[in-house]
Amino acid sequence: QKEVEQNSGPLSVPEGAIASLNCTYSDRGSQSFFWYRQYSGKSPELIMFIYSNGDKEDGRFTAQLNKASQYVSLLIRDSQPSDSATYLCAVIPSASGNKLTFGGGTRVLVKP
Amino acid sequence: EADIYQTPRYLVIGTGKKITLECSQTMGHDKMYWYQQDPGMELHLIHYSYGVNSTEKGDLSSESTVSRIRTEHFPLTLESARPSHTSQYLCASSEGHKTEAFFGQGTRLTVV
Repeated sequence: QKEVEQNSGPLSVPEGAIASLNCTYSDRGSQSFFWYRQYSGKSPELIMFIYSNGDKEDGRFTAQLNKASQYVSLLIRDSQPSDSATYLCAVIPSASGNKLTFGGGTRVLVKP
Repeated sequence: EADIYQTPRYLVIGTGKKITLECSQTMGHDKMYWYQQDPGMELHLIHYSYGVNSTEKGDLSSESTVSRIRTEHFPLTLESARPSHTSQYLCASSEGHKTEAFFGQGTRLTVV
């Protein structure tokens, strides 16, 4: 079992709709959770981080963390064609020496 | 804004050559990472450093080696490049167990 799992997609959403991305992790003791966006040929860039159970909103993005179920999700509201990218979930597992571990990423396509 | 730099951005080199990919950060981060990523594929951790004189191999076996003699510098070396080493190499750094990792712009290596 991979430490961080994501559906590879592609997730196709119409412009203006909500894109919902999920990520599950295996280490129950994980403390820190991140969502990165990566455009084709570019480096990953941080969108959001979340440390506590619940929701965290930043503009059109909302991260949701449920430690009991060991999943973290990302909602993108009012999706735009410019949101088309691969979204990477990253976790710092408890026994990793604070080493950041990435999931395989979910490719999102926003269609005008 | 992230202050992490990779050189060169692009490198085309012949089989058998020795190469060093440079990565430097000015943020004083203790942790540094090297990832390998093929087009459209997931990030694979190949090397990790907790701090000066502390390195370990990542999840993906790599023939490359790294060193961490100074906090800000984390070079990656291939003693004898092969076409199978053709890929994008991404360097990142982070601090503590909660802060996000910042990525450099990457080095796209082609071995002919």
